[in-house]
Amino acid sequence: QKEVEQDPGPLSVPEGAIVSLNCTYSNSAFQYFMWYRQYSRKGPELLMYTYSSGNKEDGRFTAQVDKSSKYISLFIRDSQPSDSATYLCAMLSLSGTYKYIFGTGTRLKVLA
Amino acid sequence: NAGVTQTPKFRILKIGQSMTLQCAQDMNHNYMYWYRQDPGMGLKLIYYSVGAGITDKGEVPNGYNVSRSTTEDFPLRLELAAPSQTSVYFCASTASRDTGELFFGEGSRLTVL
Repeated sequence: QKEVEQDPGPLSVPEGAIVSLNCTYSNSAFQYFMWYRQYSRKGPELLMYTYSSGNKEDGRFTAQVDKSSKYISLFIRDSQPSDSATYLCAMLSLSGTYKYIFGTGTRLKVLA
Repeated sequence: NAGVTQTPKFRILKIGQSMTLQCAQDMNHNYMYWYRQDPGMGLKLIYYSVGAGITDKGEVPNGYNVSRSTTEDFPLRLELAAPSQTSVYFCASTASRDTGELFFGEGSRLTVL
C-alpha cells in the first residue's frame, strides 16, 4: 500500500465551479500536510500548509485535515482558468527524518 | 532572487554514460532534496540532506549518488545511465519544516536513449 494516495484525474470543471481535491494516507505519524501547485514545465510551489487536524482558509482555497480518517482535502471556490495546474498533496512526519512524501498529483483544468 | 538553481535544464544521455545534475541554493537552507517526477507518478524522493556532510537515501536511490560538501550545493550523480532514469529531476530546499515550504528549482529534463 502506498503511503499517500491521490486520484490523478484529469479533472475538468467550468469556470466558477467549486473544486474538491483529496488525498488519503496510511502513515499515522504524518503531522504536517501540504498542498503544492505545479504549472506545466515548472517546479511545484507551496499553496497551503496545515499542522495536524483542522481547517485552514486562504482566499479561495481551503485545506482540511481529518487525521481520524487519514484524509485531507483542498477546496477551490470560484475556480478560474488560471487555477489549471497539477495539485500535489505532501506530508511530513514528526519522526525527524525530514522526508516529504508526495501524492501522484491531480491534473485540474478549469474551462473558461 | 535566484532561489534554487538547477543545471542543465535538458540533457540527452546514451545508455551507460554518467553525468551530474547540479543544484545550488542561495537561501542558506540546511535541508535539500532530490526528487524525480515521472508522468502520473508524482514526486519520488531520491536522496536528501539535512546539512553539509550529511546525506540519506529516499524512496528510489538505486543508480544515483549524492554529496553535500557545502550548504549551497547538492549535486546528483547518475552512474551508468539506464532508460529507466529518463525523468524530470527536481531539486528542492527548505530552512525548516515549521513552514512546510519546499522551494523547488525549475527541473532538469533527462532522456536516456
